[in-house]
Amino acid sequence: GENVEQHPSTLSVQEGDSAVIKCTYSDSASNYFPWYKQELGKRPQLIIDIRSNVGEKKDQRIAVTLNKTAKHFSLHITETQPEDSAVYFCAASGSGNTPLVFGKGTRLSVIA
Amino acid sequence: GAVVSQHPSWVICKSGTSVKIECRSLDFQATTMFWYRQFPKQSLMLMATSNEGSKATYEQGVEKDKFLINHASLTLSTLTVTSAHPEDSSFYICSARDPRGLRQFFGPGTRLTVL
Repeated sequence: GENVEQHPSTLSVQEGDSAVIKCTYSDSASNYFPWYKQELGKRPQLIIDIRSNVGEKKDQRIAVTLNKTAKHFSLHITETQPEDSAVYFCAASGSGNTPLVFGKGTRLSVIA
Repeated sequence: GAVVSQHPSWVICKSGTSVKIECRSLDFQATTMFWYRQFPKQSLMLMATSNEGSKATYEQGVEKDKFLINHASLTLSTLTVTSAHPEDSSFYICSARDPRGLRQFFGPGTRLTVL
């Protein structure tokens, strides 16, 4: 089955700096790669996603890149703000009714 | 986006009792729903895939006789934690895939505390 590795587990950045979180996946059949932000006690919130036919996607301060050959994808947050502090999860899934497999998460702290 | 609701949002029960959690897709039909469990400071771990009208598919290590899943309609899946014990205390989250695309939508989660 699919296995998703995520690094780093914790990340501290100064406000205004960029943050990068990286994930690798094992199943070449996976074709959907979302990123979630989760605040304590709440459901994961989708912040951006990318499909395997796209190499990069950007939404304001957030971007995701995908390298299918290397089986890795990354989340980039620019101009970080204190409200970006949360736990971020990457995930991967295939087509049809296949479940999402999550990485272990990254706790991002943005220091004002 | 699609909406998934979950009930209850939290429950406290005594050891040995059973607890039922409901997951509903409010504005779309879901032939498949997923149940995840999240322990404190950990990731979401898939417990089982719930299939409408058929048996659920459980992940390795998840006891099917302890975590009963019923998906009797296209908008409702239930998870029953039977004979709950303190180690079952966790955050249980369901999700469903929007049939129009690849995105999965999560319920708000149920925090179960077993005393």
